[in-house]
Amino acid sequence: AQSVTQLDSQVPVFEEAPVELRCNYSSSVSVYLFWYVQYPNQGLQLLLKYLSGSTLVESINGFEAEFNKSQTSFHLRKPSVHISDTAEYFCAVRRMEYGNKLVFGAGTILRVKS
Amino acid sequence: ETGVTQSPTHLIKTRGQQVTLRCSSQSGHNTVSWYQQALGQGPQFIFQYYREEENGRGNFPPRFSGLQFPNYSSELNVNALELDDSALYLCASSTARQNTEAFFGQGTRLTVV
Repeated sequence: AQSVTQLDSQVPVFEEAPVELRCNYSSSVSVYLFWYVQYPNQGLQLLLKYLSGSTLVESINGFEAEFNKSQTSFHLRKPSVHISDTAEYFCAVRRMEYGNKLVFGAGTILRVKS
Repeated sequence: ETGVTQSPTHLIKTRGQQVTLRCSSQSGHNTVSWYQQALGQGPQFIFQYYREEENGRGNFPPRFSGLQFPNYSSELNVNALELDDSALYLCASSTARQNTEAFFGQGTRLTVV
């Protein structure tokens, strides 16, 4: 069975500082990896995904994540955060060979302070 | 704009009642999944429908059931509601291809009192 661990429940950071949200997964099979963002009282929005190819993936708003197979990690980073990045971030995995079931981590709340 | 719409947005029910939540999938998507997100937790997979058939189920009791219609829209039904069923219920649509992502709706906030 797969599981996802997000190592920090909350990450406070000042505006324009860098941030890293950590995600580790366990799976006996190859997986696809995703980061979703959730703003208060809203659904989930896809932030970025690793399906194949380059292990470094980027989003349009400056986030990036690197798939590290040996460490089974998919950490999310941004070099300079904005107040508008305040939200909850979820890491998720999905098995490659079966269905579309996503297994989510417990989430990390990113609080950007001015 | 993901194109996945859920209704209603909020709902209050009494313990023991039954509830139906609805989801319209994004155009071109034939697979619908439902997730339960309790307060302070990540979403948990309930089940998935593909071409009107359930083809995957998480660790939820049989009182959680669903339907998918020919237009790929879907319903989630929960019978004999319990207080612990209070949560945000999320619907996600996707294609059946392996290398694609799921798009989520805004969710239905269910409160059981």
